[in-house]
Amino acid sequence: GESVGLHLPTLSVQEGDNSIINCAYSNSASDYFIWYKQESGKGPQFIIDIRSNMDKRQGQRVTVLLNKTVKHLSLQIAATQPGDSAVYFCAESYPGANNLFFGTGTRLTVIP
Amino acid sequence: NAGVMQNPRHLVRRRGQEARLRCSPMKGHSHVYWYRQLPEEGLKFMVYLQKENIIDESGMPKERFSAEFPKEGPSILRIQQVVRGDSAAYFCASSPIGSQSYQPQHFGDGTRLSIL
Repeated sequence: GESVGLHLPTLSVQEGDNSIINCAYSNSASDYFIWYKQESGKGPQFIIDIRSNMDKRQGQRVTVLLNKTVKHLSLQIAATQPGDSAVYFCAESYPGANNLFFGTGTRLTVIP
Repeated sequence: NAGVMQNPRHLVRRRGQEARLRCSPMKGHSHVYWYRQLPEEGLKFMVYLQKENIIDESGMPKERFSAEFPKEGPSILRIQQVVRGDSAAYFCASSPIGSQSYQPQHFGDGTRLSIL
């Protein structure tokens, strides 16, 4: 879906805990999803992607879960570190689209 | 650094001036996308280009905005007669093959445009 609103949802976690960031998407035709991390003053940095023919994909310390039934995507970060503090965006695309559609974003703050 | 390069990083213009934003894609990438981001919001698509062709400009305003990706050199996003509402961060992304190929787009660090 497209981002709306003036204030980002926020999530604060203790260093070492696991983080779960959620994203709801609206287009049931979307078949490709990407999580990006954006630090202050920087561009979005690719974290992990998943296609709609999968429901789970793992990377280094990160896992993406896709629930197509309820159109929900989540990013799990294991053993969260201070360097993980950033805004996290989910992005989606569907067949025929030439671009990514970005969600609102969630600001993750890691407390040392 | 083989990443997407954007310049300038910061650009200040007065109302009515022109702004030119440049983007060099990652090496080997021939597809370029421009997005705009307002504070505390996600990125909004503007235009998708391949070398010498505009493929999709559905997100770009019809007036004052134009984009190109010449055979040689960087992609350029041009904003003529800038207004205060053009103040934003403009990001460029690139991919090795088409947008419908399940390949992630890789982003530069953006140009922050401020209009006085």
